Amino acid sequence: AQSVTQLGSHVSVSEGALVLLRCNYSSSVPPYLFWYVQYPNQGLQLLLKYTSAATLVKGINGFEAEFKKSETSFHLTKPSAHMSDAAEYFCAVSSMDSNYQLIWGAGTKLIIKP
Amino acid sequence: DSGVTQTPKHLITATGQRVTLRCSPRSGDLSVYWYQQSLDQGLQFLIQYYNGEERAKGNILERFSAQQFPDLHSELNLSSLELGDSALYFCASSSSPPGGTQYFGPGTRLLVL
Repeated sequence: AQSVTQLGSHVSVSEGALVLLRCNYSSSVPPYLFWYVQYPNQGLQLLLKYTSAATLVKGINGFEAEFKKSETSFHLTKPSAHMSDAAEYFCAVSSMDSNYQLIWGAGTKLIIKP
Repeated sequence: DSGVTQTPKHLITATGQRVTLRCSPRSGDLSVYWYQQSLDQGLQFLIQYYNGEERAKGNILERFSAQQFPDLHSELNLSSLELGDSALYFCASSSSPPGGTQYFGPGTRLLVL
C-alpha cells in the first residue's frame, strides 16, 4: 500500500534561511507527487506537482521540489524563507496503487522566526 | 481563488442535529472529493464522486452521506451529529483522473455544541 511520511510535524527556520521540508513516499509504481500549502483558516492550495516530466519541479512562491526515485523522496525547498511562508505544508502521492486517490502525509507546520 | 466554492463558511449546531454542506466544483471538473480536517485526526478523505456516481469511499461514517447532482455540485449530509464531528470540511474538485490535481475550496467550519 502507498504511504507518505513527512519528517517533523513542526519545522522552525529563521527569516532568510533555507527551508527544507521532507517527504518520503512508498509506491510500487510510478507516482504522481504533490505539495500543498494551507495558510491559517484557509483551504489547501497546490504548490507544485510531479508528473514524471522533470525531476526538479518549480512551484509557486519560490518553492521547488526534487523527485529522487532512489531515495523515494520528494523534499520541498525554498532558498530564503519569508514570514509569509508560515503555514502548514502537506505532501501527497497518487498512483495506480491507490486508484489515483491522494494519499496524504500528516503535514508539517513551518514556523518562521524573525 | 481555486474556483471551488463551498457554503456555508461556518455552521454552528447542536448534537443530534443534521446539516448539509454544499460544494460547487470548478467549471468543467467532473470529480468532487470531500475531506474532513480535525486537530486530532488530520486530513481524512471521506468520499469521491465522478460525474454523479460514487467513485471511492474513505473514512466516511455511516451517519454521513453525499451525492453529486446532474449540474455537478455536491452535497455532504451529516446527521445525528456528535461533538467529535466538529471539524473543517473541505471539498475539492479535479478534471478527469488519473493524476488529476485536486483544487480545494475554502472549507466549511462545523462546530457541534
